[in-house]
Amino acid sequence: DAKTTQPPSMDCAEGRAANLPCNHSTISGNEYVYWYRQIHSQGPQYIIHGLKNNETNEMASLIITEDRKSSTLILPHATLRDTAVYYCIVRIWNSGYALNFGKGTSLLVTP
Amino acid sequence: EPEVTQTPSHQVTQMGQEVILRCVPISNHLYFYWYRQILGQKVEFLVSFYNNEISEKSEIFDDQFSVERPDGSNFTLKIRSTKLEDSAMYFCASRGQGSWEQYFGPGTRLTVT
Repeated sequence: DAKTTQPPSMDCAEGRAANLPCNHSTISGNEYVYWYRQIHSQGPQYIIHGLKNNETNEMASLIITEDRKSSTLILPHATLRDTAVYYCIVRIWNSGYALNFGKGTSLLVTP
Repeated sequence: EPEVTQTPSHQVTQMGQEVILRCVPISNHLYFYWYRQILGQKVEFLVSFYNNEISEKSEIFDDQFSVERPDGSNFTLKIRSTKLEDSAMYFCASRGQGSWEQYFGPGTRLTVT
């Protein structure tokens, strides 16, 4: 799996957009970008995934650069409940689909 | 909304004892996983299970660990002889056929004394 690099921590004001970057410069053509988050030692929660097109769902948007070497997860209107560790994971789609979590970005949303 | 459940929420055991951690995946899911997270560290993959066999496992998942789906609903992780370093939060996850999303349970905190 391609290695990912994320900033260890970020702050965001409540109501503002949170933009969480991820670098995956060694990503290969068949590897997807997945985002999960973990709220205070709860089980991780899926957010979104993408291959090369930008994606949006009810939780977030995922912007992947044209060369696919980096991506940004956008939480459009962050709330206090979005305070969590956010993980960017890159891997191929296969039947096993084990997730290799890194250290992630600890996002603190402040009032 | 369907959810993955795990029991117990907290288990305390003595070193050398066997423990079984239990999970009830979402009912129509076919892929099952165990992960662990040592306090303050990252979530680590242990094993994935499909069609009644292990499909992938990590280096952590050695002979001390085993998994089983004893009936149509439960998925268990057994640690044969626990060590102090097995103390961690253990998460079960499940995934449906063709789905991208793994659903995680709330975890079992295992404390080995």
